[in-house]
Amino acid sequence: GAVVSQHPSRVICKSGTSVKIECRSLDFQATTMFWYRQFPKQSLMLMATSNEGSKATYEQGVEKDKFLINHASLTLSTLTVTSAHPEDSSFYICSASQGTRDYGYTFGSGTRLTVV
Amino acid sequence: GENVEQHPSTLSVQEGDSAVIKCTYSDSASNYFPWYKQELGKRPQLIIDIRSNVGEKKDQRIAVTLNKTAKHFSLHITETQPEDSAVYFCAATTTGTASKLTFGTGTRLQVTL
Repeated sequence: GAVVSQHPSRVICKSGTSVKIECRSLDFQATTMFWYRQFPKQSLMLMATSNEGSKATYEQGVEKDKFLINHASLTLSTLTVTSAHPEDSSFYICSASQGTRDYGYTFGSGTRLTVV
Repeated sequence: GENVEQHPSTLSVQEGDSAVIKCTYSDSASNYFPWYKQELGKRPQLIIDIRSNVGEKKDQRIAVTLNKTAKHFSLHITETQPEDSAVYFCAATTTGTASKLTFGTGTRLQVTL
């Protein structure tokens, strides 16, 4: 079945630094990648949607200059949290779609980001 | 945009009993409704889904029902087991290629012995 590999699984960084999270689709072409953030005991909140080769579309309230998304190829999308602060500590998870009508969404394994 | 409400937020049942989680959605154009199970620190796992052209779908102990008129759908788990304990999310999306999912707020299910 479809697999999305997400790295790193856990990262601790100092306040003010940047962190890059990668999601790779291993056996299919991810035409669309969704990036979610999940705070403890809360639901998955969509941050942005990216299509290969296009600029990402950000949800209301999500700072595009802080959360940089790159989807340069059909198998790789990255989320960079720039100038991270403790309030950015969260579980970040990607979800890839092949852009077909079967509504298949494949989730990455998530990244636990802790900013100290 | 779509808004999905989910109830209850927590649910405790005894092993062997049934559990029911309910969701309502706002966008009448939504036509795909998946249910996910998420264990702590893990990715959501699709457990069952339903499309708007059917009213019910069953997979062993899990079933989902959909009422398009009322815009609500429900997850039914029968003969619950301790390993069913997790957080369950409903979601909804509209037709079209790679439409974004809108998730419900989640239900924490605890199956006690």
